[in-house]
Amino acid sequence: EIVLTQSPATLSLSPGERATLSCRASQSVSSYLAWYQQKPGQAPRLLIYDASNRATGIPARFSGSGSGTDFTLTISSLEPEDFAVYYCQQRGNWRWTFGQGTKVEIK
Amino acid sequence: EVQLVQSGAEVKKPGESLKISCKGSGYSFTSYWISWVRQMPGKGLEWMGRIDPSDSYTNYSPSFQGHVTISADKSISTAYLQWSSLKASDTAIYYCARDSSGLFYYWGQGNLVTVSS
Repeated sequence: EIVLTQSPATLSLSPGERATLSCRASQSVSSYLAWYQQKPGQAPRLLIYDASNRATGIPARFSGSGSGTDFTLTISSLEPEDFAVYYCQQRGNWRWTFGQGTKVEIK
Repeated sequence: EVQLVQSGAEVKKPGESLKISCKGSGYSFTSYWISWVRQMPGKGLEWMGRIDPSDSYTNYSPSFQGHVTISADKSISTAYLQWSSLKASDTAIYYCARDSSGLFYYWGQGNLVTVSS
């Protein structure tokens, strides 16, 4: 089973600042890495798939990069609605797995 | 419009059985797998397993194999997650999601399952 490790666990930032979230895989997942956003009381929402492709309707301030084992989600300028928990997820191996999440909180 | 509608919240006692459901609509139910994802209180997302509704073929995470059963009834576009003997540690929110080769664009609203004596 591929283990995904996200860092940091919590990111404290102010609106307008840039957020950089990391996800590291225990073995290569090629580019088969997705990012999800989850707000309290809601189901997760797909943001980025295959490392760098924005899902339909996702604002351009969200971008993803990386391949192999190291991936990054960048939010270029945080909006108030972006404060949430973010999960990475791999589909490089059929036993899909999620990272443990990074909480982006208001500083 | 694609929708996955899950059955309501459940409160059960340890040792009881339970089957929760996820009904798909707005798309061809047999064209996509359905995955189940657990979220324990205050914790992250855990992929449990998935089913191909066209033939009921299943894959399970090693962490959940043997502890839950995933099934589907394609005639009513519904997938199921069931337990034969619940434990307090099964208390969680369970989500179903439409699985497009491991991408989850569409999610159910979640089922809160509470197991308490």
